[in-house]
Amino acid sequence: GAGVSQSPRYKVAKRGQDVALRCDPISGHVSLFWYQQALGQGPEFLTYFQNEAQLDKSGLPSDRFFAERPEGSVSTLKIQRTQQEDSAVYLCASSAGTGHGWDNSPLHFGNGTRLTVT
Amino acid sequence: AQSVTQLGSHVSVSEGALVLLRCNYSSSVPPYLFWYVQYPNQGLQLLLKYTTGATLVKGINGFEAEFKKSETSFHLTKPSAHMSDAAEYFCAMRSYIPTFGRGTSLIVHP
Repeated sequence: GAGVSQSPRYKVAKRGQDVALRCDPISGHVSLFWYQQALGQGPEFLTYFQNEAQLDKSGLPSDRFFAERPEGSVSTLKIQRTQQEDSAVYLCASSAGTGHGWDNSPLHFGNGTRLTVT
Repeated sequence: AQSVTQLGSHVSVSEGALVLLRCNYSSSVPPYLFWYVQYPNQGLQLLLKYTTGATLVKGINGFEAEFKKSETSFHLTKPSAHMSDAAEYFCAMRSYIPTFGRGTSLIVHP
């Protein structure tokens, strides 16, 4: 079956613009995660959904970052008034498990969206 | 606090040589541990995982890892490196939310 799909693959935004990044998880996967990966670094947790419920958003760096998954499938990560420090690769991952706590389901990642803020 | 530490941001080996990528974790309870590989401009792919049971775990592409509770380690090994193994490798832990190490870049010389 199809894997996790993210769009766009590349996004260039001028400082101050708003951007929206889309994630289409594997069909039927309950859990969906967003990560931010800076150059040469590991993925840093941003937020987590279980179906349509956003259960953890502790990793969102500021109130300019907002994520939603209204129907429990496709998710959108929105960044308002982008800043240069927002430049990174944004990774989406889904898993079949419930996500929180003692869940040993591996994450399935998309290829990411590379955001460059000029 | 839960954390994953990967020792060495870069590891360089010759083709055919042993690969050893180090990972140590910190967790108040036994975690689930994973290794992922990332090729340029791609997402992360699962190599192997440890949950419970046998402490030596075999994964794809000839990689394996051994969970050592006494050393809080989960090092990744491969007996003989291939040029196609050159990539970024991430150790990860799931005890609350999935937490990743900073990654180790594996360089393979011909």
